[in-house]
Amino acid sequence: DGGITQSPKYLFRKEGQNVTLSCEQNLNHDAMYWYRQDPGQGLRLIYYSQIVNDFQKGDIAEGYSVSREKKESFPLTVTSAQKNPTAFYLCASSMRLAGDRTGELFFGEGSRLTVL
Amino acid sequence: QQQVKQSPQSLIVQKGGISIINCAYENTAFDYFPWYQQFPGKGPALLIAIRPDVSEKKEGRFTISFNKSAKQFSLHIMDSQPGDSATYFCAATLSGNTPLVFGKGTRLSVIA
Repeated sequence: DGGITQSPKYLFRKEGQNVTLSCEQNLNHDAMYWYRQDPGQGLRLIYYSQIVNDFQKGDIAEGYSVSREKKESFPLTVTSAQKNPTAFYLCASSMRLAGDRTGELFFGEGSRLTVL
Repeated sequence: QQQVKQSPQSLIVQKGGISIINCAYENTAFDYFPWYQQFPGKGPALLIAIRPDVSEKKEGRFTISFNKSAKQFSLHIMDSQPGDSATYFCAATLSGNTPLVFGKGTRLSVIA
């Protein structure tokens, strides 16, 4: 089945530890994204990538890092510099950057990170 | 800076009623306006989308109404069903140039 796979689904970490969330897609999409979802805050863009070895900061990139070494993979690292990392993280991909059907976002099922 | 403002934050509708969610945008260059639907514990999925060259788009019980001069668009769900209970996000973008900008979401509950 084609889709987006995020892992782990749930993750607990101690404060001050870095954590990496995995995102893999087999849709052959060029663009990939990371969003953070908090209650009442909607979907806020952390980073996005339109092509391998290139990525751009979104609205809330501080305290996060990404890499895009392969087309299929776009891991997100939540660093200790992120002041409030507890949240639901969503990865998405699209054939092209947003706009009409080629820009339709396909989301994974999310990773819920809790920092204790 | 919030470029897409969505209201209400939550909505309770009786089964069979009409659910209406509104969005307003600021950037007049935006040319693509999708709505995404998210069920609890899942990622959002595209529901319906519109471009500003039409004022309305209908797909089944879901309709987008678009008012270019007012810079507003809305989602209407006719004959709302309990299975429509979800969070709905409006979004906007300038095609091919920027990622989608999302509203803050509306949590819809349809009660029997």
